[in-house]
Amino acid sequence: DGGITQSPKYLFRKEGQNVTLSCEQNLNHDAMYWYRQDPGQGLRLIYYSQIVNDFQKGDIAEGYSVSREKKESFPLTVTSAQKNPTAFYLCASGDGSPGQPQHFGDGTRLSIL
Amino acid sequence: AQSVTQLGSHVSVSEGALVLLRCNYSSSVPPYLFWYVQYPNQGLQLLLKYTSAATLVKGINGFEAEFKKSETSFHLTKPSAHMSDAAEYFCAVIGDNYGQNFVFGPGTRLSVLP
Repeated sequence: DGGITQSPKYLFRKEGQNVTLSCEQNLNHDAMYWYRQDPGQGLRLIYYSQIVNDFQKGDIAEGYSVSREKKESFPLTVTSAQKNPTAFYLCASGDGSPGQPQHFGDGTRLSIL
Repeated sequence: AQSVTQLGSHVSVSEGALVLLRCNYSSSVPPYLFWYVQYPNQGLQLLLKYTSAATLVKGINGFEAEFKKSETSFHLTKPSAHMSDAAEYFCAVIGDNYGQNFVFGPGTRLSVLP
């Protein structure tokens, strides 16, 4: 079955540590997205990528970094510069055509030790 | 810029009762609109989408939504709630650049009482 796989499901970060969240899709989608979800705030866009080797900042990119070396993969690194990283992180993909939905993975919950 | 409001962060209904979740949007262009459902600790699942065809859109699990341009609304309804409908629901609109970025509402948590 085609879909989006996020790993790990749960992740713990120590102070001053960078951590990387994995996102892989086999839907052959060109566009991929990272969202942060906090209670009562909906989804906020961190980064997005429309094609390989290209990505743009979203609304809350500070303290995060991404890469897009392969069409299937869009890893997100939460750096030590992100002072409040505790959240639920969702990865999504889409073919980028007008009116087409985004498809979501099952998320990674990041907590601070 | 596009925006989405969802009236009521938490809605409770009795099992078998009508479900009505409200969504209003602002958009400078003809909108594409979506409803997603999220169960605890899971990703978002598409319920239905409006893409300028029929104004009444039918989705999965018995849900439907009606696009009303004059009211800039896209409310989600289901005639009879089931316990399994308890989840968080998000309304979303596509941004100005048509298909690249979505703008999500803050979500409405639906509780279904026995």
